[in-house]
Amino acid sequence: EIVLTQSPDTLSLSPGERATLSCRASQTINNNYLAWYQQKPGQAPRLLIYGTSSRANGIPERFSGSGSGTDFTLTISRLEPEDFAMYYCQRYGGSPLWTFGQGTKVEIK
Amino acid sequence: EVQLVDSGGGLAQPGGSLRLSCVGSGFTFGDFPMNWVRQVPGKGLEWLSYISSSSQTIYYADSVEGRFTISRDNGKNSVYLQMNGLRDEDTAIYYCARGYSFLSYWGQGTLVTVSS
Repeated sequence: EIVLTQSPDTLSLSPGERATLSCRASQTINNNYLAWYQQKPGQAPRLLIYGTSSRANGIPERFSGSGSGTDFTLTISRLEPEDFAMYYCQRYGGSPLWTFGQGTKVEIK
Repeated sequence: EVQLVDSGGGLAQPGGSLRLSCVGSGFTFGDFPMNWVRQVPGKGLEWLSYISSSSQTIYYADSVEGRFTISRDNGKNSVYLQMNGLRDEDTAIYYCARGYSFLSYWGQGTLVTVSS
C-alpha cells in the first residue's frame, strides 16, 4: 500500500508570504496521478490541482503544483486571507485505489 | 453549475444500517464515475468506494468491503451507499464525490453517528 506523508503538519505564515507544502509517497506514483485539495472548516474539500501540476477550474494562479516520482509540492506564491485552511494530497492507483495524505494546516502566524 | 447533495445520515446503533444518497445536478450524471469518501470530524479523508458510470466496475476500501454497498440510478441522477453492520468507528461525515483519478466535485457531506 502506497502511503502519502505530508509535511509539515502545520505551517504558520503571514498573508503575502509564500507557502510550500510537501507530499512524499512511499512508492513511485505512476503517470503523475497526484492531486491536491483545500478544505476549510465545515466545508467539503475542493480540488485545487490534478495531474501534479494542472489547476482545476477557477483556481487562482497563485496555486501551483510540481514534482514527480515520490516527491510532490504544492506552492502558494502569496498567501491571501482565504488560503488559510487544510490541504490534502491524494493519489490514484494501487490498493486502495485512492489514498490521501494526512493533511497540512496552513495557519495565520 | 455542478451540484452534489448528500443526504441520509443520522444516528444508528452498532450493527445497524443506513442508506446514504447523493443527487447530482448541472451535469450529465450518467457520464461520470462516482465515489464515497468519509472523514472523521477533525481527522483526515478516507476513500471508501467507487462506481463507474455504467455500474460495471465497483471498488471498495478494505475497511468497508462486505459491509457497504455502492449503487447508482442514472435515471434519478443518484448514487447510494448502503451501510450495514455499522461500527462505532464508522462515525464520520460522508461525502459523495465525482471523478476517477481525481475528485473534481464533492457533496456537502452527511453526518453518520454510530452509537448505542
